[in-house]
Amino acid sequence: QSVLTQPPSVSGAPGQRVTISCTGSSSNIGAGYDVHWYQQLPGTAPKLLIYGNSNRPSGVPDRFSGSKSGTSASLAITGLQAEDEADYYCQSYDSSLSGSLYVFGTGTKVTVL
Amino acid sequence: QVQLVQSGAEVKKPGASVKVSCKASGYTFTSYYMHWVRQAPGQGLEWMGIINPSGGSTSYAQKFQGRVTMTRDTSTSTVYMELSSLRSEDTAVYYCARLAGGMDVWGQGTTVTVSS
Repeated sequence: QSVLTQPPSVSGAPGQRVTISCTGSSSNIGAGYDVHWYQQLPGTAPKLLIYGNSNRPSGVPDRFSGSKSGTSASLAITGLQAEDEADYYCQSYDSSLSGSLYVFGTGTKVTVL
Repeated sequence: QVQLVQSGAEVKKPGASVKVSCKASGYTFTSYYMHWVRQAPGQGLEWMGIINPSGGSTSYAQKFQGRVTMTRDTSTSTVYMELSSLRSEDTAVYYCARLAGGMDVWGQGTTVTVSS
């Protein structure tokens, strides 16, 4: 089971701002490990959206931003667009004996109204 | 350009094994670790393990210990993931993904269907 918890869904109208939370624990996000975010469009492989908590790879619009605080992280999408409708996953490293060194969030479906 | 190209879809019977390949190009193969991640139908992403293409060392998720083997062939810049004793719950899309400040490049995915 995932050790990073995300809301199952969020929605917003075009142009609005939405945020997705990613809640972890002291063995992953709270231990200082980086959080990365991925966007998965229907039927495609995930794409790296944010790395190292708040950095955007080349080509990712600045509408996407990431932050981290304590045992949680957040992804914000400002100026929501129709093409942002996708599943989003956070990911980090885990130092506990949970059985998985790298862990993903439960995933959040973003719907553009 | 950096690219990971995976092998084609597989259909296997319960109890069988499957071996998925992931061929890297456009970068120095031995300089980046490679993850394997799977996604069951309608489900989220699940980390399976990681391999260091340079020395071949591996680390597997506890869930797959004893059933998964990750290997590499440096002469062809290819990593492999073999999963044995397949069951219906292993039906999923399997991805390889390069580790570089997050998983920055992903293969296109290989669908493995386990059905009698």
